Amino acid sequence: DGGITQSPKYLFRKEGQNVTLSCEQNLNHDAMYWYRQDPGQGLRLIYYSQIVNDFQKGDIAEGYSVSREKKESFPLTVTSAQKNPTAFYLCASSGGQARETQYFGPGTRLLVL
Amino acid sequence: AQKVTQAQTEISVVEKEDVTLDCVYETRDTTYYLFWYKQPPSGELVFLIRRNSFDEQNEISGRYSWNFQKSTSSFNFTITASQVVDSAVYFCALSEPSGSARQLTFGSGTQLTVLP
Repeated sequence: DGGITQSPKYLFRKEGQNVTLSCEQNLNHDAMYWYRQDPGQGLRLIYYSQIVNDFQKGDIAEGYSVSREKKESFPLTVTSAQKNPTAFYLCASSGGQARETQYFGPGTRLLVL
Repeated sequence: AQKVTQAQTEISVVEKEDVTLDCVYETRDTTYYLFWYKQPPSGELVFLIRRNSFDEQNEISGRYSWNFQKSTSSFNFTITASQVVDSAVYFCALSEPSGSARQLTFGSGTQLTVLP
């Protein structure tokens, strides 16, 4: 089945630790995105990538890093510099004929111990 | 700067009632896209509809309908004969063209609860 997968579903971070969230898509989409969702709020863009080996900061990039070495993969690292990382993280992709539409993965919930 | 406002934070209706979710947007772009997404309790955002700024025709898909009015910068979503399975958070979003990637600006969402 074509789609977007995110792992893990739940992730726990200790103080001072970097953690990496996985996002994989087999939709052959060029663009990929990471969003953060806090309780009762909409989604805010962290980073996006239009093409392999290229990515741009979104509205809240501080404390996060990404890489785009393969078209299918866009991992997000939450660094120790991110002081309030507890949130729901959603990955999305877009491309093809309906490239303006973003399709989302199931999300990863990050909790701080 | 783009902005999307969903003034209704929470709505509760009884099954089979009709319900309208409001969305008002701001943009300086002449070309843009509007979207509605559904977020059930599982968390994944499900795409419902896309509308471009040049197409003001209303759209109906089963029990769902959308009313796009450029004059009032609104893109409202109506569910007819609501069902318990419609309970979810609904997000309205606006896209900003940026090369081949489209940055989405989301509203804060409306929590819809349909009671049996």
